[in-house]
Amino acid sequence: DIVMTQFPDSLAVSLGERATINCKSSQSVLSSSNNKNFLAWFQQTPGQPPRLLIYWASTRESGVPDRFIGSGSGTDFTLTISSLQAEDVAVYYCQQYYSSPITFGQGTRMEI
Amino acid sequence: EVQLVQSGGGLVQPGGSLRLSCAASGFTLSTYWMNWVRQAPGKGLEWVANMKEDGSEKYSVDSLKGRFTISRDNGKNSMYLQINNLRAEDTALYYCAMGSGWIFDLWGRGTLVTVSS
Repeated sequence: DIVMTQFPDSLAVSLGERATINCKSSQSVLSSSNNKNFLAWFQQTPGQPPRLLIYWASTRESGVPDRFIGSGSGTDFTLTISSLQAEDVAVYYCQQYYSSPITFGQGTRMEI
Repeated sequence: EVQLVQSGGGLVQPGGSLRLSCAASGFTLSTYWMNWVRQAPGKGLEWVANMKEDGSEKYSVDSLKGRFTISRDNGKNSMYLQINNLRAEDTALYYCAMGSGWIFDLWGRGTLVTVSS
């Protein structure tokens, strides 16, 4: 199984400041067949289902603000929120969908 | 409106069974891989199982095989999760999710399963 490890577990950032969450996979999620990283990021606010933010490591889902930026390749990935807004308070998860079982990171709690 | 409508959760005693349902509304479910993901109270996300569009392939977490069975009925635009021999540690909010391939871009609102005597 591919283990996804996020760090930090929690993060407090001031409004308007940059926030960075890291995610490391125990093996590469980069496919040699299509040169894509099978890595997604989700945002979950209290009482809501997860919301897809980023897929293929860096492709923003439709409707997601451009302050959310995904980067990285292979085993090391980053989600950056360029200018934190109040509505970004949530738990963020990375997920690999390269192989079964699909696995999630443990989550990073974002606070202001 | 495009959405996944979930039902079937509830309070069940240890050793009991439940069948969770997930119905597609506003679109045809038959062209998508479908997934189940669960979240124990106050915990993170755990993928449970998925099934290919035509039901010809399915995958699940090894530790849950034998008790959890995913199925789908494209004619009813629905998928299901049968859970047998429920344990306290199965207490969780169960989500169905789908999207292009294994990308989860649409989620249901979840159905709560509570296992307690």
